[in-house]
Amino acid sequence: AQTVTQSQPEMSVQEAETVTLSCTYDTSESDYYLFWYKQPPSRQMILVIRQEAYKQQNATENRFSVNFQKAAKSFSLKISDSQLGDAAMYFCAYRSYGYGGSQGNLIFGKGTKLSVKP
Amino acid sequence: GAVVSQHPSWVICKSGTSVKIECRSLDFQATTMFWYRQFPKQSLMLMATSNEGSKATYEQGVEKDKFLINHASLTLSTLTVTSAHPEDSSFYICSARSVTNQPQHFGDGTRLSIL
Repeated sequence: AQTVTQSQPEMSVQEAETVTLSCTYDTSESDYYLFWYKQPPSRQMILVIRQEAYKQQNATENRFSVNFQKAAKSFSLKISDSQLGDAAMYFCAYRSYGYGGSQGNLIFGKGTKLSVKP
Repeated sequence: GAVVSQHPSWVICKSGTSVKIECRSLDFQATTMFWYRQFPKQSLMLMATSNEGSKATYEQGVEKDKFLINHASLTLSTLTVTSAHPEDSSFYICSARSVTNQPQHFGDGTRLSIL
């Protein structure tokens, strides 16, 4: 079974600075997806960024980028120019490439609570 | 973008009653819908996966007779917590996906409090 580990329960960053959130995962599959979701106090789950395992190029979305190391099974999220609105819980998630039924459901890490200091 | 509407957002009811939570995909057809439960300061735990027109697939440890899931159309799935008790109090979140290679889109969640 696949597992996702986020080793940093809490992180803090100064506004306008850069912060990196760590995520490692365990799988025997070669094809899969990885995601970072943001959950602000409103508790809505917001997709931040997505990476397909077959792509060597790291995904980027504006101030958010990932460092995907497939061999090391590592998928860290870098937030540049941090803003107060970035404060939230961040969940790393894994998804199999499978088709149909219950395959392809998300497996979440325990989350990292990010605080942004003004 | 894809929008998933979840209703109600907050419900308080007495122990022993049944509560129905709706999850609707507003601008796409959701072939698959997922139901999660989240305890305070914890991660999301998958409860069940439902495909339109089929019986839901429940995760190990989730009581299918207690958490009834219906996915009768491509835009609506419901979760009914039957004979709810205080230990069922939690935050329930649904998500929906159109096809397998597309990401899941989440509803805003339902805070359920059983007195």
